[in-house]
Amino acid sequence: EPEVTQTPSHQVTQMGQEVILRCVPISNHLYFYWYRQILGQKVEFLVSFYNNEISEKSEIFDDQFSVERPDGSNFTLKIRSTKLEDSAMYFCASSVLRGSYEQYFGPGTRLTVT
Amino acid sequence: DAKTTQPNSMESNEEEPVHLPCNHSTISGTDYIHWYRQLPSQGPEYVIHGLTSNVNNRMASLAIAEDRKSSTLILHRATLRDAAVYYCILRDGGGSNYKLTFGKGTLLTVNP
Repeated sequence: EPEVTQTPSHQVTQMGQEVILRCVPISNHLYFYWYRQILGQKVEFLVSFYNNEISEKSEIFDDQFSVERPDGSNFTLKIRSTKLEDSAMYFCASSVLRGSYEQYFGPGTRLTVT
Repeated sequence: DAKTTQPNSMESNEEEPVHLPCNHSTISGTDYIHWYRQLPSQGPEYVIHGLTSNVNNRMASLAIAEDRKSSTLILHRATLRDAAVYYCILRDGGGSNYKLTFGKGTLLTVNP
């Protein structure tokens, strides 16, 4: 069964450093998403991406964040200058279509900012 | 997004059915009812979704009230692997809302 994959599984970085989290969505999916979950808290939407542009973003997704689909398979989330409060699990998801259709989530990348 | 209300936690015994309730009294006509679950240390996983009629798939059944103000996720025979947080989420099928808005969900404990 096709699945969303994410690398790395765990990333440790120092405050102020740039990090890039990578995702490979399911191959025939058209919509891509990033969510995050701070330890013990709810899963929060960050951004959705379709047709090489951002469709929707949350208040969390400020100028420090960016997304890119550099080739036909990868989907990346970049944090330019990490803060301690960026420490969280970051989940990538993809869906065939928007609206009522289900999203498939990856296993997540645990980001630890020290 | 319309709001949903779920119990914080529920407990079940292995191999027994589980009924997980969700109230969504402010649901609109174009809102689909989605259920996701999150197993420990994993990403959320799609379970089922529906609009008006009851739905069945290999994982679960979804029973939707006639007035659509509540729904129930039914696991027919709970296993230890079903222990997870279950989220009931409303999504507008007709608009430009792409995101899933997760609440706190219901933590399901399955006893052996």
